Amino acid sequence: AQKITQTQPGMFVQEKEAVTLDCTYDTSDQSYGLFWYKQPSSGEMIFLIYQGSYDEQNATEGRYSLNFQKARKSANLVISASQLGDSAMYFCAMRGSYNTDKLIFGTGTRLQVFP
Amino acid sequence: DGGITQSPKYLFRKEGQNVTLSCEQNLNHDAMYWYRQDPGQGLRLIYYSQIVNDFQKGDIAEGYSVSREKKESFPLTVTSAQKNPTAFYLCASSPTYVESTSYNEQFFGPGTRLTVL
Repeated sequence: AQKITQTQPGMFVQEKEAVTLDCTYDTSDQSYGLFWYKQPSSGEMIFLIYQGSYDEQNATEGRYSLNFQKARKSANLVISASQLGDSAMYFCAMRGSYNTDKLIFGTGTRLQVFP
Repeated sequence: DGGITQSPKYLFRKEGQNVTLSCEQNLNHDAMYWYRQDPGQGLRLIYYSQIVNDFQKGDIAEGYSVSREKKESFPLTVTSAQKNPTAFYLCASSPTYVESTSYNEQFFGPGTRLTVL
């Protein structure tokens, strides 16, 4: 069975600093995809970044990068130069083999950015 | 603008009543999903549909029902059989893998917060 584990219930970071949010996964699929979503207090889920299991390079999207370590089954999100608007819940999710669109979500990490 | 709409944003119902949550998308996506989110937890899949007139149970389908009569619409009914229906409900859509050249991220609506009194 597939599983996503986020072990950090909450994280604090000072504005302009970098922060890493941890995500480990478990799957027996050879082909899979990993996603990170942001959920502000308003509730909507905002897609941030994607990493495919066969992608050779770590994904980057602006201030977001994904530290993908396949052998360790980890897909940590790195946010550089944190901003106050980054305060939110962050969810790691996984899609299994490419013939399914279902996502499995972790329990999330609440990030708080302070001035 | 393309997107997903959910209505209403807040919904209050008495215990024992069925209630239907609306989800509409104009992204021309084939696949649609319903998730439930409880405080301090991640999203759990209730039902999903990959094509009109077809849908499958997710991990927590008991006490819920759906229909998919139109590509744009995927309403969720929370029935009186659902023992603890108070939660935040999120609808999402995505292109199916076979029709997409991208990685099929799911696009989410703003959510409906259901409170059963």
